[in-house]
Amino acid sequence: AQSVTQPDIHITVSEGASLELRCNYSYGATPYLFWYVQSPGQGLQLLLKYFSGDTLVQGIKGFEAEFKRSQSSFNLRKPSVHLSDAAEYLCAVVTGGSYIPTFGRGTSLIVHP
Amino acid sequence: DVKVTQSSRYLVKRTGEKVFLECVQDMDHENMFWYRQDPGLGLRLIYFSYDVKMKEKGDIPEGYSVSREKKERFSLILESASTNQTSMYLCASRKDNINSPLHFGNGTRLTVT
Repeated sequence: AQSVTQPDIHITVSEGASLELRCNYSYGATPYLFWYVQSPGQGLQLLLKYFSGDTLVQGIKGFEAEFKRSQSSFNLRKPSVHLSDAAEYLCAVVTGGSYIPTFGRGTSLIVHP
Repeated sequence: DVKVTQSSRYLVKRTGEKVFLECVQDMDHENMFWYRQDPGLGLRLIYFSYDVKMKEKGDIPEGYSVSREKKERFSLILESASTNQTSMYLCASRKDNINSPLHFGNGTRLTVT
């Protein structure tokens, strides 16, 4: 069965600092990978997705993610974080075997001025 | 833009009540999902529907049922609400394509007293 691990429950950064949120998946073949963001009091919004091609994908709000097959990872990055980036970030995986998205437990990002 | 609308933002119900959570999407998506979101547990799938009148159990279906009589509407039913069903409930829809992202509603925060 597919599974997703987000090892960091909380991450705290200062405004302007760089950010990397980790996501690891467990699946034999290349899955379809997604990052979502959930701002306080709102539903989830798609940041970016990967399913083939260039392993570095660009998303909205200045985020990017890199797929690394050898590490079974799809880490989310941003070079300079804003206060408005404080939110919950969830990684999701869909595989051909399951067809249903499986989510990680999420990482809560706290941004200090 | 896809819009997924959940009928209530907040609900307070008593133990033993029958509770209906309604979700409507306006983009003719075939697939619809109900997740619950709890701190530290991420999103867990309750039920999903591939198409009208079709439903499949997710990871935590106990205590819940669903109804999909029309393509745009997917209802989650708590037959007899219990305090352990206090949670945030998120509805999502998707085109019937494995690499399509989910589109989420803003959620219903249900409190069972």
